[in-house]
Amino acid sequence: DAKTTQPPSMDCAEGRAANLPCNHSTISGNEYVYWYRQIHSQGPQYIIHGLKNNETNEMASLIITEDRKSSTLILPHATLRDTAVYYCIVRVGDYYAGNNRKLIWGLGTSLAVNP
Amino acid sequence: DVKVTQSSRYLVKRTGEKVFLECVQDMDHENMFWYRQDPGLGLRLIYFSYDVKMKEKGDIPEGYSVSREKKERFSLILESASTNQTSMYLCASSRSGTGGPSLKEQYFGPGTRLTVT
Repeated sequence: DAKTTQPPSMDCAEGRAANLPCNHSTISGNEYVYWYRQIHSQGPQYIIHGLKNNETNEMASLIITEDRKSSTLILPHATLRDTAVYYCIVRVGDYYAGNNRKLIWGLGTSLAVNP
Repeated sequence: DVKVTQSSRYLVKRTGEKVFLECVQDMDHENMFWYRQDPGLGLRLIYFSYDVKMKEKGDIPEGYSVSREKKERFSLILESASTNQTSMYLCASSRSGTGGPSLKEQYFGPGTRLTVT
């Protein structure tokens, strides 16, 4: 699975958009980009995933560059409850193929949303 | 809602004790995972299971074993606890089978913070 690079920390003002970048320059054609977040003292929570098109759900938007070497998670109106560590992970989408059942976790970006 | 529960939030054990960490999921997921999380190291996979009685080693299986006798339950066993196993332990589950990757995201429990003294 491809390796990802994220900034260790970011700040955002409450009510503003939070844009969290992720580099995955070695991503393969069949690998998806997943985002999870972990609020303090809780287990990680799935946010969104994408392959090549931009995606949006009730939690966030995911923008993937045309060459797929980087992506950005956007929280459109950040709240204090969005303060968490955000993980960007790339892996194949098919859970059948051997070790592809597991996700490889980096250290993520610690996002602080300030009042 | 998918629910993954872990038997304890906090646990304190002595060196050399046998420790059982239990995880139960209620969504009939095929896959279950045990991770440990340490500052500066992130989440590291210990073991995972893709079916009853089936298991595969993750990245750091040494000093641990697992048991999956029923689909909903996945146990992590520390045969002889050591101080370097003091950590946060997280259990997760996910679906397998047909369907897109959105159906296969991992759902996590709240974690067990284990201290070995």
